[in-house]
Amino acid sequence: DTAVSQTPKYLVTQMGNDKSIKCEQNLGHDTMYWYKQDSKKFLKIMFSYNNKELIINETVPNRFSPKSPDKAHLNLHINSLELGDSAVYFCASSQSGGDEKLFFGSGTQLSVL
Amino acid sequence: AQSVTQLDSQVPVFEEAPVELRCNYSSSVSVYLFWYVQYPNQGLQLLLKYLSGSTLVKGINGFEAEFNKSQTSFHLRKPSVHISDTAEYFCAVISPRGRANNLFFGTGTRLTVIP
Repeated sequence: DTAVSQTPKYLVTQMGNDKSIKCEQNLGHDTMYWYKQDSKKFLKIMFSYNNKELIINETVPNRFSPKSPDKAHLNLHINSLELGDSAVYFCASSQSGGDEKLFFGSGTQLSVL
Repeated sequence: AQSVTQLDSQVPVFEEAPVELRCNYSSSVSVYLFWYVQYPNQGLQLLLKYLSGSTLVKGINGFEAEFNKSQTSFHLRKPSVHISDTAEYFCAVISPRGRANNLFFGTGTRLTVIP
């Protein structure tokens, strides 16, 4: 049973399109995150979301928006995709007040052509 | 603000040899430090963490790390590596924001174990 699952695993699309990446966790965690990993493997946090408290990394363009229909899901919507958005996006979750361990999904490789 | 620096982007090492992956951090407050491993085409897995207490922390797969406050370091070590240890290793520090624990990662060290 996968703890943090993301779909799709691969996403290839044209510039200017709007796309979404879905993330679900079955760990009962109350906090979820989105990270972006660039071609040089550098990981940067984009968002964290806890009980309707959204914390946004100020460097993230507003074309990116997280949507959480419930505590177990945090989807990532991207509008007007640009070439520079090509990267691997990782979802993660943790339990606040716990041992600070993050559980990561296996990633979504986004390629913008 | 907290940050971590991984001094080596690539570390090649022969099988069964020891390895040390270096990590230095900067912070004006107490820190929580982590090492995560990323195998090819996979997400990150926690290797070990330092929250408080003993400065020598043991993790999975025979790895250990030592928290050194005076040198602001948290180097990762393994006495004898295996081919299966080939992966990307990330040092990370937590920056608590609200009720979330935002992990800030170093730039990663690619460990390649040579047969």
